[in-house]
Amino acid sequence: GAVVSQHPSWVICKSGTSVKIECRSLDFQATTMFWYRQFPKQSLMLMATSNEGSKATYEQGVEKDKFLINHASLTLSTLTVTSAHPEDSSFYICSARPGTSGNTIYFGEGSWLTVV
Amino acid sequence: SQQGEEDPQALSIQEGENATMNCSYKTSINNLQWYRQNSGRGLVHLILIRSNEREKHSGRLRVTLDTSKKSSSLLITASRAADTASYFCATEGSGTYKYIFGTGTRLKVLA
Repeated sequence: GAVVSQHPSWVICKSGTSVKIECRSLDFQATTMFWYRQFPKQSLMLMATSNEGSKATYEQGVEKDKFLINHASLTLSTLTVTSAHPEDSSFYICSARPGTSGNTIYFGEGSWLTVV
Repeated sequence: SQQGEEDPQALSIQEGENATMNCSYKTSINNLQWYRQNSGRGLVHLILIRSNEREKHSGRLRVTLDTSKKSSSLLITASRAADTASYFCATEGSGTYKYIFGTGTRLKVLA
């Protein structure tokens, strides 16, 4: 099956610093990638949809200046949490879709972010 | 916002029994996918069912889709302890092309 790699798997950072999470599709080209956030024992909340070469589309309530998303190539999207605060601590997980709508989307292993 | 509601929220069964999870959603969809997640890990894709399909099988998994009721079910037959995980449905809304997840069902299979 298709492989999506997410890095880092976990990161601890100090309040006020920025953290970048990478999402790569290893064996397919992903026109569209999705970023989700998940709190313990809860479902995945869609944060934004990123399309290669264009600006990401953010869901209502998600601060685009705080969660910067860049999808510079067909195999790489990045999420940067800027000026992180303890309440940003969460599990962030990306997914990528080969081709167009209607195809299976594949998930990375997720990244645990802890802000201290 | 959440698209789907799943029930039950939690399910505990004995090994060998069947497990059924239900997913309901609110708007028209292109397709619906079921995923499995082990605690603190990424999601594993199980089955994709398109809006014009009513049933699909994959090994011990059976998925049904009833678009008139806006609901889907996932049946795991002859469950194993290794099936213990959270199961989520995700719907691709018509015209939105993004996936929204249901609330999930936490399945525990007792050996």
